Amino acid sequence: EDQVTQSPEALRLQEGESSSLNCSYTVSGLRGLFWYRQDPGKGPEFLFTLYSAGEEKEKERLKATLTKKESFLHITAPKPEDSATYLCAAHSGNTGKLIFGQGTTLQVKP
Amino acid sequence: EAQVTQNPRYLITVTGKKLTVTCSQNMNHEYMSWYRQDPGLGLRQIYYSMNVEVTDKGDVPEGYKVSRKEKRNFPLILESPSPNQTSLYFCASSFTSGYEQFFGPGTRLTVL
Repeated sequence: EDQVTQSPEALRLQEGESSSLNCSYTVSGLRGLFWYRQDPGKGPEFLFTLYSAGEEKEKERLKATLTKKESFLHITAPKPEDSATYLCAAHSGNTGKLIFGQGTTLQVKP
Repeated sequence: EAQVTQNPRYLITVTGKKLTVTCSQNMNHEYMSWYRQDPGLGLRQIYYSMNVEVTDKGDVPEGYKVSRKEKRNFPLILESPSPNQTSLYFCASSFTSGYEQFFGPGTRLTVL
């Protein structure tokens, strides 16, 4: 069964304290791994798409990486405005479905 | 501005009273989808549409209907809402299946 698991569920960091969020996936025929940011009460906002193992993408303080079993979202020197829930989702080429993880809620304290 | 719009944003209704949540996108996307988001369960797909007149069930389709008569619109219909359909609903669209999806602002539904 296709599955996406994110860890940790919640993460508290001090401003400037770098860390990583994990997304483990078991998906038949992966055709894309997506990262989204969601602020409370709002729709998810697209961040990155990764298609193949070894691929990396960066945007400001965020960098996403992909292996054959998991993806990481690295946050370098985070700021309070980076506080949000980060969702990862895997697209199955076999079923055509997009499977979401349950998210990691990040809080960055000043 | 490229966007996905949903209406209404908030709705409180009673059990059994039919309702429709509208979704519209202005990006000429082929693929559209509905999700519900519940605490501890994450985002779950209700229905999706690969193109006009083509719809299919997601993971939690029971109690919902959809239609896709025009490319830009994808309404979600609850014929007889029940309290277990109280949730936060999101519509999303993408160029085609497998591409990044753009989400609407959400509709918070409460069924009493």
